[in-house]
Amino acid sequence: NAGVTQTPKFRILKIGQSMTLQCTQDMNHNYMYWYRQDPGMGLKLIYYSVGAGITDKGEVPNGYNVSRSTTEDFPLRLELAAPSQTSVYFCASSYSLSPYNEQFFGPGTRLTVL
Amino acid sequence: AQRVTQPEKLLSVFKGAPVELKCNYSYSGSPELFWYVQYSRQRLQLLLRHISRESIKGFTADLNKGETSFHLKKPFAQEEDSAMYYCALLYGNNRLAFGKGNQVVVIP
Repeated sequence: NAGVTQTPKFRILKIGQSMTLQCTQDMNHNYMYWYRQDPGMGLKLIYYSVGAGITDKGEVPNGYNVSRSTTEDFPLRLELAAPSQTSVYFCASSYSLSPYNEQFFGPGTRLTVL
Repeated sequence: AQRVTQPEKLLSVFKGAPVELKCNYSYSGSPELFWYVQYSRQRLQLLLRHISRESIKGFTADLNKGETSFHLKKPFAQEEDSAMYYCALLYGNNRLAFGKGNQVVVIP
């Protein structure tokens, strides 16, 4: 199992450009999450999904969009990149509602908007 | 709203000395707490969860509802414990609220 994979690892965008961060998991997890981590800060939830076709906003959704057409994939879309979106982005997945469950994280995407 | 506070950003300890990372939370529901760890060049991963009452790599954490705390402790630090540690609180729909993290440096 590859677990949670994210592409790309690094990206530099110009202000106003768009891009999609890819996230795929091969563990058949129903829950998936996108977080961002700014320097010196904890992870903040952007969007999450409880299953294919179902997504919902997290703590900091502005400027982002997501879709979940399959169980495996959960792409994050930035439509008009802004310097405030410079951050490290983590995708994660988990299996169920049980509190015993853990979230499995991808390696992260480091995004810089200039 | 839920909140997790980790007051110290950087903690430097000598090898063999005790380590304690503080975590306080604010949550109106029944709390489920976790510690996640990120070693250098590795992914963020679960270290331990309070509900399992387990000791992992010599670390323990006790949930104190009266003090709303979930401090992480290890009696004798090892060099391989150098990492970033995040306290996290589970809330609706299996979401996690994270603290800002503690950088632990173990000095040989």
